[in-house]
Amino acid sequence: DAKTTQPNSMESNEEEPVHLPCNHSTISGTDYIHWYRQLPSQGPEYVIHGLTSNVNNRMASLAIAEDRKSSTLILHRATLRDAAVYYCILRDVTQGGSEKLVFGKGTKLTVNP
Amino acid sequence: KAGVTQTPRYLIKTRGQQVTLSCSPISGHRSVSWYQQTPGQGLQFLFEYFSETQRNKGNFPGRFSGRQFSNSRSEMNVSTLELGDSALYLCASNSVGGNQETQYFGPGTRLLVL
Repeated sequence: DAKTTQPNSMESNEEEPVHLPCNHSTISGTDYIHWYRQLPSQGPEYVIHGLTSNVNNRMASLAIAEDRKSSTLILHRATLRDAAVYYCILRDVTQGGSEKLVFGKGTKLTVNP
Repeated sequence: KAGVTQTPRYLIKTRGQQVTLSCSPISGHRSVSWYQQTPGQGLQFLFEYFSETQRNKGNFPGRFSGRQFSNSRSEMNVSTLELGDSALYLCASNSVGGNQETQYFGPGTRLLVL
């Protein structure tokens, strides 16, 4: 399974932008980059995903390096509700069409009021 | 649409017992995956079911098994429980799988083995 590397923790202030980095130097040409987050006492929830181009949605933006060996999840204005563990995941499509998510340790984001 | 539901939410068992956890996916979703989350190992993939067939399996011993019913509801069973099986068990569903689709997770079942 292709691996990702993320900082263990990051801290931000409310209303400020947050840039969460992820390194994935062994990414293959068909791996998509997905981000999930897990709020305290909840299951993970989808945030965003992309292949090569930068992506935006109502929750966040995903900036993907040109060589695809790294990416950055951008929260434009952090709120207290964004405090969570953020996981950067490379989608592994195994034979037969099955997919599984391979979670790393993630980055624990603390948002200060 | 109702989200993924898991029952029970909390469970206490003793070593050697067995346990069955249940997961109801989002209506219309045919793929159900199970994950184990522990402080030491993080989130680890257990197995995935699609149309009542196991399509993929993680690196867990045979004590961990699952099944899926015709209505897509899934159960996982752990036999001969060990202390190390204490964990949060998460279920996720998506409509067909294999297409980079979003996985929708339930709130999990927290299992404590004494």
